[in-house]
Amino acid sequence: GDSVTQMEGPVTLSEEAFLTINCTYTATGYPSLFWYVQYPGEGLQLLLKATKADDKGSNKGFEATYRKETTSFHLEKGSVQVSDSAVYFCALRLNTNAGKSTFGDGTTLTVKP
Amino acid sequence: DVKVTQSSRYLVKRTGEKVFLECVQDMDHENMFWYRQDPGLGLRLIYFSYDVKMKEKGDIPEGYSVSREKKERFSLILESASTNQTSMYLCASVRLAFSDEQFFGPGTRLTVL
Repeated sequence: GDSVTQMEGPVTLSEEAFLTINCTYTATGYPSLFWYVQYPGEGLQLLLKATKADDKGSNKGFEATYRKETTSFHLEKGSVQVSDSAVYFCALRLNTNAGKSTFGDGTTLTVKP
Repeated sequence: DVKVTQSSRYLVKRTGEKVFLECVQDMDHENMFWYRQDPGLGLRLIYFSYDVKMKEKGDIPEGYSVSREKKERFSLILESASTNQTSMYLCASVRLAFSDEQFFGPGTRLTVL
């Protein structure tokens, strides 16, 4: 079946550090890939997405590139801020499963001043 | 601004009570979902609906039922609440286009005493 594997957390960084959260996937088809972010006490919201190989999604300084050859979609940010502290979820969606998405387990990021 | 709303942010119920969690979306989305989120377990799909009056079981449907009488509203029902159903419940909706992301509500934190 389809699956998403995320780097285990929690991750703790100092402000202005470089962030990478690894995400790899297994899919029976050709998925769209997403990163969602969940701030404390809130629901998930889309951070960025990519819908085909070699696409780069970007938003708020975060980037991720759809790598079909390595089935990966790693999230990166060059300089994190305290306000980036949140839980990050990698997810995939196929066009054959009624809109369902498969989510990773989430990675908790804490950024310290 | 597009929106998914949930009827309560916090709810406290007693064991054996019947519990209704309501979700409403204003985006005319076809598909809607109910998840529960528990520490260390990520997001788990309870039920989803791809049309009015249509529903399918997700990964953990036991102890839950759902209702979708109107396109914009998707209800989760706990017929007889138990303490192991204490959790964060998230509703989401999505269009059919597979490149589109899910939109989440803010969540309902349910405590069953």
